[in-house]
Amino acid sequence: DVVMTQSPLFLSVTLGQPASISCRSSQRLVHSDGNTYLNWFQQRPGQSPRRLIYKVSNRDSGVPDRFSGSGSGSDFTLKISRVEAEDVGLYYCMQGGQWPYTFGQGTKLEIK
Amino acid sequence: EVQLVESGGGLVQPGWSVRLSCVASGFKFDDYVMHWVRQTPGKGLECVSSISPRSDRFGYADSVKGRFTISRDNAKRSLYLQMSSLRAEDTALYYCVKDAPNGSIVHWGQGTLVTVSS
Repeated sequence: DVVMTQSPLFLSVTLGQPASISCRSSQRLVHSDGNTYLNWFQQRPGQSPRRLIYKVSNRDSGVPDRFSGSGSGSDFTLKISRVEAEDVGLYYCMQGGQWPYTFGQGTKLEIK
Repeated sequence: EVQLVESGGGLVQPGWSVRLSCVASGFKFDDYVMHWVRQTPGKGLECVSSISPRSDRFGYADSVKGRFTISRDNAKRSLYLQMSSLRAEDTALYYCVKDAPNGSIVHWGQGTLVTVSS
């Protein structure tokens, strides 16, 4: 199985400041079809996860443009340009290129 | 609107079995891969099993191989997870999840809690 490793596991950020989460995979995520199936999810307290980003950098409809994804190969990043109070929660990366889909350990974002 | 409603969770003793169910609506069920994803406070999210639309391909996480069996009934728009030889570490919130294009998932149920304890 592909192992996904996130860092940091905990982020404390001042409102309006940027935040960045790293996700590394145990093998390159480039699929045989040429795509890289790396996703980012946000989970607010008491809710099911919500997808933010798919295929490394494609933002879902309704996701604020302060969220962005980047990376390639086995090294990926989720950035929040200016953290807002509603961004508090857990963030997970997930590879969807092979079964079983695998997730990073999660990064908890809090407001300082 | 896509809806996924899980049931079957509860308190079970180690070594026991339990069957989770998920009823789907709002999409053409027999067109989609489906997954069971579990969540624990300690280990985060884990995709424990996946099944193809025609039940001709299955996937399991190493942690549940040989103990869990995924199945589906397209006529009933239902997904199942038969869990056997349960262990304390199987304690988790189990989500029914619909696959999405581009190697992804978008729609999650609300989850059903399985607690394995004596």
